[in-house]
Amino acid sequence: DSGVTQTPKHLITATGQRVTLRCSPRSGDLSVYWYQQSLDQGLQFLIQYYNGEERAKGNILERFSAQQFPDLHSELNLSSLELGDSALYFCASSIEDTQYFGPGTRLTVL
Amino acid sequence: GQQLNQSPQSMFIQEGEDVSMNCTSSSIFNTWLWYKQEPGEGPVLLIALYKAGELTSNGRLTAQFGITRKDSFLNISASIPSDVGIYFCAGRTGSSNTGKLIFGQGTTLQVKP
Repeated sequence: DSGVTQTPKHLITATGQRVTLRCSPRSGDLSVYWYQQSLDQGLQFLIQYYNGEERAKGNILERFSAQQFPDLHSELNLSSLELGDSALYFCASSIEDTQYFGPGTRLTVL
Repeated sequence: GQQLNQSPQSMFIQEGEDVSMNCTSSSIFNTWLWYKQEPGEGPVLLIALYKAGELTSNGRLTAQFGITRKDSFLNISASIPSDVGIYFCAGRTGSSNTGKLIFGQGTTLQVKP
């Protein structure tokens, strides 16, 4: 158990819909990272927040957004969902260099 | 953009054999991390490397941060069935808390009892 929690574990929705994924970092970790993992793309970095502020951006689509709240939990919002958005979404947290991953949310878009 | 080339892509070995996998990059990294991922789970950190030339062990696992800072390898000795999974290398160019890890494509390891 990494100490990072993610909800929900599974999510099934339809194209065009909007979903919110939630992540609670390890106690004391200020940084939260979001990754997308699909079969043909491996682990792709989406975005990082540090103590409530956006710190780094990766290959995140404009339809996706994230935020980190004062209690340091984070949410990833995915809108106008497409079939290709089906993937595992992981959250990771860190206090320095080492990132610890949550169990992931499996998103299926039908 | 930055890319990591991880090899081999997959390995099918006999229990008890040693395993070696590596990652190379055209960019210099300040940190190398090795993760293992099992089906349905998130990646779990195995070894973290912070200095060029550093050699670190974690039980039967040994990893090294290449002198050129552009490569790293992971060795698993005397493999056992529970070593099965996907192993990812990851590298970071910036300092801590300044962003993204770049992940390799993964090495899928299968161990035959």
